[in-house]
Amino acid sequence: DAKTTQPNSMESNEEEPVHLPCNHSTISGTDYIHWYRQLPSQGPEYVIHGLTSNVNNRMASLAIAEDRKSSTLILHRATLRDAAVYYCILRDRVSNFGNEKLTFGTGTRLTIIP
Amino acid sequence: ETGVTQSPTHLIKTRGQQVTLRCSSQSGHNTVSWYQQALGQGPQFIFQYYREEENGRGNFPPRFSGLQFPNYSSELNVNALELDDSALYLCASSLGWGSGDTQYFGPGTRLTVL
Repeated sequence: DAKTTQPNSMESNEEEPVHLPCNHSTISGTDYIHWYRQLPSQGPEYVIHGLTSNVNNRMASLAIAEDRKSSTLILHRATLRDAAVYYCILRDRVSNFGNEKLTFGTGTRLTIIP
Repeated sequence: ETGVTQSPTHLIKTRGQQVTLRCSSQSGHNTVSWYQQALGQGPQFIFQYYREEENGRGNFPPRFSGLQFPNYSSELNVNALELDDSALYLCASSLGWGSGDTQYFGPGTRLTVL
């Protein structure tokens, strides 16, 4: 399984942008980069995903390096509700057809300072 | 649209017992994946069901088994419970479209084995 490397923890001030880095040097050409986050006492929730181009949605932006060996999740204006563990995941194929599994690492614990 | 639901919320069992956990997938989703999350760790993939068939399995022993029903809801069964089975069990449903597919997680079942 292709692996990702993330810092164990990060802190950010409320209402400031947050840049969460992820290294994935062994990524293959067909691996999508997914970000999920897990708020306290909840299941993980999808944040964003991309393949090659930068992506934006209502929650965040995903910046992917040109060589695809790293990516950065950007929260444009962090709020206290963004405090969570953020997981950077490369989608692994479960079988030769159909669907993929998620291989989670330990993620980055993001603390927001009021 | 109803999200992914799991039951029960919490469960306490003793070593050697058997347990069944249940998951109702999001409407229209034909794929259910199960994950085990030990305290302080990221979720680990157990197995996946696609249209009532097991479609892939992680590194878990055969005493972890499952079912998917025609309405795509699913069960996770664990026999001969061990202390290390204490964890949060998460199910996630998806449309099964491949690498760009988003998984939607339920809130989890917290299993404690004494």
